[in-house]
Order: sequence, then structure tokens, then C-alpha cells
Amino acid sequence: QVQLVESGGGLVKPGGSLRLSCAASGFAFTDYYMSWVRQAPGKGLEWIGYISSGGGVVYYAHSMKGRFTISRDNAKTSLFLQMNSLRADDTAVYYCARLVVSADSDYFDFWGQGALVTV
Amino acid sequence: YVLTQSPSVSVAPGQTARVTCGGNDIGSKSVHWYQQKPGQAPVLVVHDDTDRPSGIPERFSGSNSGNTATLTISRVEAGDEADYYCQVWDSNTDQRLIFGGGTKLTVL
Repeated sequence: QVQLVESGGGLVKPGGSLRLSCAASGFAFTDYYMSWVRQAPGKGLEWIGYISSGGGVVYYAHSMKGRFTISRDNAKTSLFLQMNSLRADDTAVYYCARLVVSADSDYFDFWGQGALVTV
Repeated sequence: YVLTQSPSVSVAPGQTARVTCGGNDIGSKSVHWYQQKPGQAPVLVVHDDTDRPSGIPERFSGSNSGNTATLTISRVEAGDEADYYCQVWDSNTDQRLIFGGGTKLTVL
């Protein structure tokens, strides 16, 4: 079965950096785009960005550009999120999600359990 | 592009709950719905307006027309109490993947 397991969350000081990982299993990782979504405490879902199946295309939400970097290692079936210059308003649960891409209809069909980042 | 959801909906067990998602000409887009229970990750319950993933009960259905998309939950159970989020893909904005603000469904 599809499993996405995030790790690397924790407490970091403002201005610091953190790298989240997402270990994927149970599906052909190289066939899928992957994405990161975050959720601040008591708030709604906020999309961060996605990376193509081969890693050659990365797209970020406008508000996430510059400080966040998404990458993947297909050999290790892993997804990463590098976060720099962290601020208090980056405090959130960060979810790794598998992205189904089709014409004008992208959506997330599986989600990890989330990693809490506290700044 | 903005998706607007009512903050809360309440319904008695066994009744029908309707969670709406408003957006300009949303009927021309594909809408997807997620259920999120407290302390858990979101779960996809409807995609492409009306399709249910494997394992999602038939009680969950979706529709989309004009400026409103609707998630309908029939014969509501206590276990359906959760936050529900709509989502669309919009190529015309930097945001691309957009979520509504979420609706808290309370089962009375």
C-alpha cells in the first residue's frame, strides 16, 4: 500500500534552516509528481510546490518562492523540502503528498502523516 | 482565484450534509474534496467533481455547476465529523493548486 513518511521536523530558531524528508513506498515513485503542503496551527491547507516525476520541473506557490526548495532522489524514493530563513509564521505541520497530474485537474491522492515544524 | 467555504455546517446523524465551495465559474473547473479529522492527515474523498476513490463510501458524492461546487454526505454518521476542504487547479495564477478555507462539519 502507498506509504509516505515525513521526518526531520522539530524546533528551529528564527532565521534558521531545516530539511524535511519524505520516504515513499508501495508505488512506482518515479511515475509520480510529488508535492508539499503545510498547515499552520488551527488553519487551513496551504500548497507549497511540486516537483515532476523526473525532478526536472519544480514549481512553487508565489508566496513560497525563494526560501523553500523541493528536490527528490528517485533512487532512494525520497522527497525533500529545504527551508531557509525560517520565520515564526512558517510554524506548521508539513505534509508530503502524491500528486495526480491530468489536464486541468491536478489533485493529491495520498498524504503522509505530517511533520511539525516550530519556529 | 479564491475558493470560499462556509466555516461550519451542523447536521444530525442520519441526515444529509451539504458542504459548498464557491468560486468564479467554478463549474468550468474540476473540484476535489478532502476530509481531515483532528490530528490526522487529509484524505481524498471526491476527485474530478464526482468521482470517489476506492474505499470511500457511496454516501459521499459531489456536484459542480455555475459558481458552486457541493460535497454531499448522505446518512451522516458521527465518524464523518471533520474538516472538509475543496481544491482546484488553476493555470492562470501563480498559486496553481488552490484550497478553500475549509468547513467544519459537526454531527449533532
